Amino acid sequence: SQQGEEDPQALSIQEGENATMNCSYKTSINNLQWYRQNSGRGLVHLILIRSNEREKHSGRLRVTLDTSKKSSSLLITASRAADTASYFCATGISGSARQLTFGSGTQLTVLP
Amino acid sequence: DAGVIQSPRHEVTEMGQEVTLRCKLISGHNSLFWYRQTMMRGLELLIYFNNNVPIDDSGMPEDRFSAKMPNASFSTLKIQPSEPRDSAVYFCASSFQDSQYFGPGTRLTVL
Repeated sequence: SQQGEEDPQALSIQEGENATMNCSYKTSINNLQWYRQNSGRGLVHLILIRSNEREKHSGRLRVTLDTSKKSSSLLITASRAADTASYFCATGISGSARQLTFGSGTQLTVLP
Repeated sequence: DAGVIQSPRHEVTEMGQEVTLRCKLISGHNSLFWYRQTMMRGLELLIYFNNNVPIDDSGMPEDRFSAKMPNASFSTLKIQPSEPRDSAVYFCASSFQDSQYFGPGTRLTVL
C-alpha cells in the first residue's frame, strides 16, 4: 500500500481562497516532501520538511509536520488559477538513500 | 541547465515490439529513478540507481523490463516484448540531495 495518502482526493475552490491538503503516512520518516504536477507534465518539487521540523514556509506555501500523528498538511494561501494541479506528498525513509514513496495525490482546481 | 531530458516524448507501438526509453540526468546528480504513472496505480517506482549502480529494482514488474545506466549522465529503460498493459507515462527523475527533479515523461501506448 502507499506510504503517503493524500486527503482529499479532489478539491475545488475559488481564486483567492486558501487550499489545504493533508497527507498521512505509516512508517518513520527522515523527511516529507510535496510535489506539484500540472496536467501532462512531470512532477515539480515544492518544499521539503525534515522529521525534526514542525513547520516550514515558502512563499504562499506552508507545510506542517506532526510526526506523532504521522501526518502533514500543505496550505496554499491566496490561491490562483495557475495553482490548479495535482499535489503529491512523498516520504523519505532513513536508510533508503534518496528513495521516495509517493501518495496518490490531491487534484486541486482553482476557479477564476 | 536544461533539466532532466527524456526521449521520446510519445511512443506508440504494437504488442510484442521492443521499446526503449531514454533519460539524461541533470549534470552533477548521482541518483536516477524510473517511475511509471497510470490512473489505476498512481506513481510507481520501478528502479533506482546510485552512482550508476542499481540499488533497488523490486518495482520492476517483470523480466520484460530492464534498465541500464552505462554512464553517469544517461539511462535507458527497455521493455521487450511490450504488452498493452505497459501503456503508461514513464518518468525518470534525478537527484543530488533529498529532492528529485523529474523529466517531462514518455507517454507509451502499446496497441
